[in-house]
Amino acid sequence: GNSVTQMEGPVTLSEEAFLTINCTYTATGYPSLFWYVQYPGEGLQLLLKATKADDKGSNKGFEATYRKETTSFHLEKGSVQVSDSAVYFCALIPQGHSGGYQKVTFGTGTKLQVIP
Amino acid sequence: GAGVSQSPSNKVTEKGKDVELRCDPISGHTALYWYRQSLGQGLEFLIYFQGNSAPDKSGLPSDRFSAERTGGSVSTLTIQRTQQEDSAVYLCASSPGQGGGIQYFGAGTRLSVL
Repeated sequence: GNSVTQMEGPVTLSEEAFLTINCTYTATGYPSLFWYVQYPGEGLQLLLKATKADDKGSNKGFEATYRKETTSFHLEKGSVQVSDSAVYFCALIPQGHSGGYQKVTFGTGTKLQVIP
Repeated sequence: GAGVSQSPSNKVTEKGKDVELRCDPISGHTALYWYRQSLGQGLEFLIYFQGNSAPDKSGLPSDRFSAERTGGSVSTLTIQRTQQEDSAVYLCASSPGQGGGIQYFGAGTRLSVL
């Protein structure tokens, strides 16, 4: 079956540090890959996505590149801020015919804490 | 509405009682999902609706859990005879079309079973 594996948290960084949160996946073909972010007390919201190999998703200074050869979609940010403190979820939707239902598989989430 | 709305935001109940959790999806979104998020765990899929039908309810953990959706809009998740292990945050999400792609989440209902 499909699965998503994320690095365990919590991750604690000082403000302006470089962030990497690792994500690897297991799925056949070319799934679509996502990063969602959950701020305290809120639901998840989409941060970025990539739908084919070598695509780079980016948003709010965060980036992730779809690497088929290593089945990875690591999240990076060059300089984190206190406001980036949240839980980050990697997710995938398997490759399938358009218009059909495809269940999203989420990772377990990685908590990021940024200290001033 | 502007976003996915869930109510109540917090629910404390006694073991053995029944609870109902409500979800109002984004207007026009035909797909609706329920997830459970336990402390320190990821998202556990419960059920998927397309319109008023539930083609995938494979994630419901027991027959104490049920859900319905009416008018292709509001959904209610019901937990009967609650147990302490049911304590979690229950998240609802909606999306347009057939359900693939981006999901839009509500803030969740935090359920505490004493």
